Amino acid sequence: DAGVTQSPTHLIKTRGQQVTLRCSPKSGHDTVSWYQQALGQGPQFIFQYYEEEERQRGNFPDRFSGHQFPNYSSELNVNALLLGDSALYLCASSLVGLAGLYNEQFFGPGTRLTVL
Amino acid sequence: AQKVTQAQTEISVVEKEDVTLDCVYETRDTTYYLFWYKQPPSGELVFLIRRNSFDEQNEISGRYSWNFQKSTSSFNFTITASQVVDSAVYFCALYSTSGTYKYIFGTGTRLKVLA
Repeated sequence: DAGVTQSPTHLIKTRGQQVTLRCSPKSGHDTVSWYQQALGQGPQFIFQYYEEEERQRGNFPDRFSGHQFPNYSSELNVNALLLGDSALYLCASSLVGLAGLYNEQFFGPGTRLTVL
Repeated sequence: AQKVTQAQTEISVVEKEDVTLDCVYETRDTTYYLFWYKQPPSGELVFLIRRNSFDEQNEISGRYSWNFQKSTSSFNFTITASQVVDSAVYFCALYSTSGTYKYIFGTGTRLKVLA
């Protein structure tokens, strides 16, 4: 049973560029959430997708956008990259989207984004 | 406002010692959920436990135990007879049904278990 997978593992971009990160949820899961984890900090909730719609959003600017596909996989897009966007981006999946974030979430290994 | 505080930045213990990781939370909601996650060096967060605000029973799972006290807004995590494999960063998290930040993590406690 495959867990949550994310790609790429590492990514280096320059300021002003755009980036797309990808996530495939655990088999059978229908909800995907994205988190940003800066070095030495706890993860910060970006947003959650269920039924191909953004259901909840944290305190992140519109430069952060996402998408969920019919197969439940998801993308996180960040436009106009800033140095401060350098972080580990974690994807988490869970089952039964209506239950919200309080269901057990399974996390992927993350994508390490470095903005130069 | 919702907030999770893990005051212990880093703890070092010798193998077989017991260790308690502290978590203090703030929320005005009556219904909320508390979690503990483990993040080993590989980076992948591992779910350990979920507790809802109406269930104050302590829980034990092997060497792990959790003490939830609403009176002090604390949800502490104890590892008994620690092992080197327990070395990781541990995060406490709060899910509350109001506020902009739906799911809030603490800043984590780095546990180092020395052989």
